[in-house]
Amino acid sequence: GAVVSQHPSRVICKSGTSVKIECRSLDFQATTMFWYRQFPKKSLMLMATSNEGSKATYEQGVEKDKFLINHASLTLSTLTVTSAHPEDSSFYICSARGLVGPQETQYFGPGTRLLVL
Amino acid sequence: QKEVEQDPGPLSVPEGAIVSLNCTYSNSAFQYFMWYRQYSRKGPELLMYTYSSGNKEDGRFTAQVDKSSKYISLFIRDSQPSDSATYLCAMLEGSYDKVIFGPGTSLSVIP
Repeated sequence: GAVVSQHPSRVICKSGTSVKIECRSLDFQATTMFWYRQFPKKSLMLMATSNEGSKATYEQGVEKDKFLINHASLTLSTLTVTSAHPEDSSFYICSARGLVGPQETQYFGPGTRLLVL
Repeated sequence: QKEVEQDPGPLSVPEGAIVSLNCTYSNSAFQYFMWYRQYSRKGPELLMYTYSSGNKEDGRFTAQVDKSSKYISLFIRDSQPSDSATYLCAMLEGSYDKVIFGPGTSLSVIP
């Protein structure tokens, strides 16, 4: 099946620093990428949707200046958590949607665990 | 009312049992229904994908959609310890819409 990778898989940073998370679709072109956040024992919360070459669409309550999303190519999207604080500690998951064979579908990355100290 | 509801569990069954996982939803416009499996500390993995009402079978897994009742199910036959994970239902109106997830059901299959 199609593969979506995320890097890094785990990151620990100091409060106030910025962290960049990469999401790549490895064997298909992702016309749309999604960024989710998952709190313990909670469902995935969609943060934003990005289409290649255009600005991301953020969900209500998600600060666009806090969570910067760049979708520079059809295989790469980045999420930058700016001036991270301990409450930003979470599991961040990206997904990529594109045509894989005859079907348009969505695949998830393995997630990035962020711990802000 | 939440768009998608799912019993969070935890659900614990003996190995070999038939597992039934369910979700209800409120948006009658949903047409695409999915089930994802998520192991601890991993991203969700797509298990089943169904369009509109009906049944779909894939190995030990059967997905059912009843649009009239706004109810979907995932059945796991001959459950294995390796099936222990959180199962998330998800749905969307059109193939280009955002996916709405249920909160997930935690399943443990005891050897």
